[in-house]
Amino acid sequence: KQEVTQIPAALSVPEGENLVLNCSFTDSAIYNLQWFRQDPGKGLTSLLLIQSSQREQTSGRLNASLDKSSGRSTLYIAASQPGDSATYLCAVFAYSGAGSYQLTFGKGTKLSVIP
Amino acid sequence: ETGVTQTPRHLVMGMTNKKSLKCEQHLGHNAMYWYKQSAKKPLELMFVYNFKEQTENNSVPSRFSPECPNSSHLFLHLHTLQPEDSALYLCASSQGTGVNEQFFGPGTRLTVL
Repeated sequence: KQEVTQIPAALSVPEGENLVLNCSFTDSAIYNLQWFRQDPGKGLTSLLLIQSSQREQTSGRLNASLDKSSGRSTLYIAASQPGDSATYLCAVFAYSGAGSYQLTFGKGTKLSVIP
Repeated sequence: ETGVTQTPRHLVMGMTNKKSLKCEQHLGHNAMYWYKQSAKKPLELMFVYNFKEQTENNSVPSRFSPECPNSSHLFLHLHTLQPEDSALYLCASSQGTGVNEQFFGPGTRLTVL
C-alpha cells in the first residue's frame, strides 16, 4: 500500500528565506506527483504537477523536483513571503486497479513565514 | 459559477440528525470523488463515481451514503454520525478515473456534536 510522508510537519521561517519541503513515497510505480497548497479550512489549490518521466517543474518562485527511483520529491520556495503561509500537501497518483487511478496524500507541512 | 462548488461550507449537526452535503462541478467532467480530511491525518478517499456509477467505496461506514444523480452533481447523505466524523469533506472531479488531474472544491467543514 502506498504511503506518503512529508517532513517537516511544520516550519517557521523569516520572510525572504529560501526553503525546501520534503516528500517521500514508498512505491515508486507512480504516474505523477502533485504539490497542493491548502489555506486554513479551505480546499486544495494545485501548485505543480510532475509527470513520472520528468525531473522537475517550475512555476514562478516554486520549483518541484522528482526522483522516482528513490521515492522522493522536494518543493523549493524562493524568497518566501508571508502570503506563502499555508499547508503544503504532496500527493502521488498511481494505478489502483480496474482501470482507475488514485491520489495518495501526505499529512502536509504547515508553513509559517514571519514578516 | 466555475470549477467545483460545495454547499454548505459549514455544518453543525447532532448525532441523530440527517443532513446532506452537495457538490457540483462545472467542468464537464465525468468522475467525482468524496474525500475526508481529519485533523492530523492525510486526506482519505471515500467514494468514487464515474459516469454516475460508484466505482470505489473505501470501506466507508454506512452512515455515509453517497448519491450521484448525474455527472455534475454529487451528494453525501449523513445519518447518525459520530463526533469522530467531524472533519473537512472535500469533493473533487476529473475527466475520468484514468490518468486525469483532479480538481477540488472548497470543502464542507462538518462538526458533529
